Amino acid sequence: NAGVTQTPKFRVLKTGQSMTLLCAQDMNHEYMYWYRQDPGMGLRLIHYSVGEGTTAKGEVPDGYNVSRLKKQNFLLGLESAAPSQTSVYFCASSGRQGSSGRFYNEQFFGPGTRLTVL
Amino acid sequence: GENVEQHPSTLSVQEGDSAVIKCTYSDSASNYFPWYKQELGKGPQLIIDIRSNVGEKKDQRIAVTLNKTAKHFSLHITETQPEDSAVYFCAASKKSNTGKLIFGQGTTLQVKP
Repeated sequence: NAGVTQTPKFRVLKTGQSMTLLCAQDMNHEYMYWYRQDPGMGLRLIHYSVGEGTTAKGEVPDGYNVSRLKKQNFLLGLESAAPSQTSVYFCASSGRQGSSGRFYNEQFFGPGTRLTVL
Repeated sequence: GENVEQHPSTLSVQEGDSAVIKCTYSDSASNYFPWYKQELGKGPQLIIDIRSNVGEKKDQRIAVTLNKTAKHFSLHITETQPEDSAVYFCAASKKSNTGKLIFGQGTTLQVKP
């Protein structure tokens, strides 16, 4: 059981380049999230998904796109990277627990991707 | 929208002392308050959480208290150890079908041996 994994761990881009960050979870969780972490600003939600085939905007969605074609994967895309997108990106998942269908709020985080845009 | 304020931003204590981190939230509908610990180079990990129907919860050396009237909650770490050094985040959420958490800005705790 690997939990939440993220690839790549590190990446350096030039302004205007594009890339995709991959998040995978093996806990059969319904919900998945992408955050960015910047000094002094905590964790800010970029986009999230409440199930396969669904996505929604979070607090800071501009400049990012996401897709959730499979339940276990959540992709974060940067179409034209900007220096302001230099950050550490974390993926998280949470899910349904128990036969009652009650959703629990605990989010499990991946190890992060450190992205630098020059 | 929901806002969570966390203080202090940095905290330095001597090994064996207690550490307290405080958070306030704005949305009175919030009913779930987790605390996460982030060690260097890793993702945050849940260490304790509390729901709005409980005023206090304890797990060994860590405890969380909640004051719904004042809309604030606190993390207490007793008998601190060097391995407690990390960044701590509080968060809040309300009953929803999204599971979204709103995080505080984080507190860097340093425990000096």
